[in-house]
Amino acid sequence: KQEVTQIPAALSVPEGENLVLNCSFTDSAIYNLQWFRQDPGKGLTSLLLIQSSQREQTSGRLNASLDKSSGRSTLYIAASQPGDSATYLCAVVQGAQKLVFGQGTRLTINP
Amino acid sequence: GAGVSQTPSNKVTEKGKYVELRCDPISGHTALYWYRQSLGQGPEFLIYFQGTGAADDSGLPNDRFFAVRPEGSVSTLKIQRTERGDSAVYLCASRPGHNTGELFFGEGSRLTVL
Repeated sequence: KQEVTQIPAALSVPEGENLVLNCSFTDSAIYNLQWFRQDPGKGLTSLLLIQSSQREQTSGRLNASLDKSSGRSTLYIAASQPGDSATYLCAVVQGAQKLVFGQGTRLTINP
Repeated sequence: GAGVSQTPSNKVTEKGKYVELRCDPISGHTALYWYRQSLGQGPEFLIYFQGTGAADDSGLPNDRFFAVRPEGSVSTLKIQRTERGDSAVYLCASRPGHNTGELFFGEGSRLTVL
């Protein structure tokens, strides 16, 4: 059974810092991995999708990497801003077509 | 529609009542998912539709939970004899097809069972 773990569970950093969020998964047989952002009381917003054949994806200040063989992904956020404060979730898709989510990292950027 | 729409946004009910939650996916999206999210947790898979049929319902916790998608568009999640433990945010998501593209989520329906 696929298990997804995100470390740390919570992170608080000053504005302007670069930071890395970690995601690990136990079964490397995945189709793709997706990073989401969730604001309090809201649904999930897709940030980046990495196909299993890809190593990384970039969107603005965000960069996500994927190392399938080691079962790891990282989300790098450059020059963090208070508006980046949210919970960040990673999820993997396997043959059953369902996403398996981690528990999320609650990020706070302090002005 | 422009995005995934879920109604109601909030539902408060009493233990033992019947509840229906509705999801209107992005137009043209054939794949539709229901997830359940408890406070402080990641979403947990409930059921996946490809078109009108439930391709995977392995996440439904018991037979009080049922979902339909009769015309391959709108889906309804039905919960019978609700229990306090059913309280959670129920999220719906859609994507264009089988294992293609990003998954787009609605804002969720927050269910509270008193």
